[in-house]
Amino acid sequence: GENVEQHPSTLSVQEGDSAVIKCTYSDSASNYFPWYKQELGKGPQLIIDIRSNVGEKKDQRIAVTLNKTAKHFSLHITETQPEDSAVYFCAASKETFNKFYFGSGTKLNVKP
Amino acid sequence: DGGITQSPKYLFRKEGQNVTLSCEQNLNHDAMYWYRQDPGQGLRLIYYSQIVNDFQKGDIAEGYSVSREKKESFPLTVTSAQKNPTAFYLCASSIGWESGNEQYFGPGTRLTVT
Repeated sequence: GENVEQHPSTLSVQEGDSAVIKCTYSDSASNYFPWYKQELGKGPQLIIDIRSNVGEKKDQRIAVTLNKTAKHFSLHITETQPEDSAVYFCAASKETFNKFYFGSGTKLNVKP
Repeated sequence: DGGITQSPKYLFRKEGQNVTLSCEQNLNHDAMYWYRQDPGQGLRLIYYSQIVNDFQKGDIAEGYSVSREKKESFPLTVTSAQKNPTAFYLCASSIGWESGNEQYFGPGTRLTVT
């Protein structure tokens, strides 16, 4: 199967700073990599995703990079704001089926 | 409003009792999923359904059962055989079961068994 590892488990930054969360995956057949944000007591929400034929994708303050050779992908949040505080999950899925393998999550705390 | 609803938000049961968690979607999605979330861990797949009247075991199906009699509904039963049922349960759906389809999550049900 697929094994997704996520680091760090907690991340504390000052408002306005950047935050980077990293994930590695084990199966080279994985081709879709979504990132989810989960606020306390709620379900996760997709914030950005990337497919294996793309190396980088941006959406305003959020970007994701993918290195297929090294099997790792990262979430970058710039100009962080207190409302960015949440738990972030990375995931990977393979070609055959939309089964997501999730990382263990990163709790991001943005201090005002 | 389109979306996924889960009820109830909090559920309390005594050990040895079966309990059913509700999941309804009005997104007209074919695929539905149940995940379990424990503190400090990622989401683990319990069951999934690609289409009505079909469902498959995920990675941690023991002690759980599901049904998919209607496209919009995918209830999960936590049976007394599940050794550690206390957890946060999340239901999700996607438009199709092919890879690369966004999974939309419900708000979750927190189950406590004592």
